[in-house]
Amino acid sequence: GNSVTQMEGPVTLSEEAFLTINCTYTATGYPSLFWYVQYPGEGLQLLLKATKADDKGSNKGFEATYRKETTSFHLEKGSVQVSDSAVYFCALRDNAGNNRKLIWGLGTSLAVNP
Amino acid sequence: DGGITQSPKYLFRKEGQNVTLSCEQNLNHDAMYWYRQDPGQGLRLIYYSQIVNDFQKGDIAEGYSVSREKKESFPLTVTSAQKNPTAFYLCASNVGGGTGTEAFFGQGTRLTVV
Repeated sequence: GNSVTQMEGPVTLSEEAFLTINCTYTATGYPSLFWYVQYPGEGLQLLLKATKADDKGSNKGFEATYRKETTSFHLEKGSVQVSDSAVYFCALRDNAGNNRKLIWGLGTSLAVNP
Repeated sequence: DGGITQSPKYLFRKEGQNVTLSCEQNLNHDAMYWYRQDPGQGLRLIYYSQIVNDFQKGDIAEGYSVSREKKESFPLTVTSAQKNPTAFYLCASNVGGGTGTEAFFGQGTRLTVV
């Protein structure tokens, strides 16, 4: 079946540090891949997405590249800010068949210190 | 502006009571979802609906019920059969088909049993 595995948190960084949050997936078809962000007490917001192999999604300085050969979609940011403190979720949506549910990773909490 | 609205933001339930959480969207999305979020457990799917008048159980449907009488609305009832209902509940929607279509989330309802 389909699944998403994220690196466990919490991740604690100093401001301006480089961020990587690993995400790998298992899928039977050709999924679309997503990163969502959740700020404290709020719902989830789409951060970026990629719909096919080698696509790079980017937004607000965050990037992730859809790597089919390694089944990965790692999230990166070159210089984090305190305002990036949140929980980040990796997700996939299998585009084959009729069931289009999103499959979620467990989330990775990021804390950025000044 | 289009979006997805959950109400109330905070809800308190006495033991043995049923409560209903509201979810309304004006995005013209076919598919809607209810998730439960507990600390350290990511998102768990309760119920989902891919079209009006149809819905399916997710991974943790026991103790919950839903209806989908209108495209815009997907209320969730937490029944007295749900033994541990204290959690953060998230409603989401997407167009239901097509590649790469992301889910949009409400701001969540925090339910507490008192």
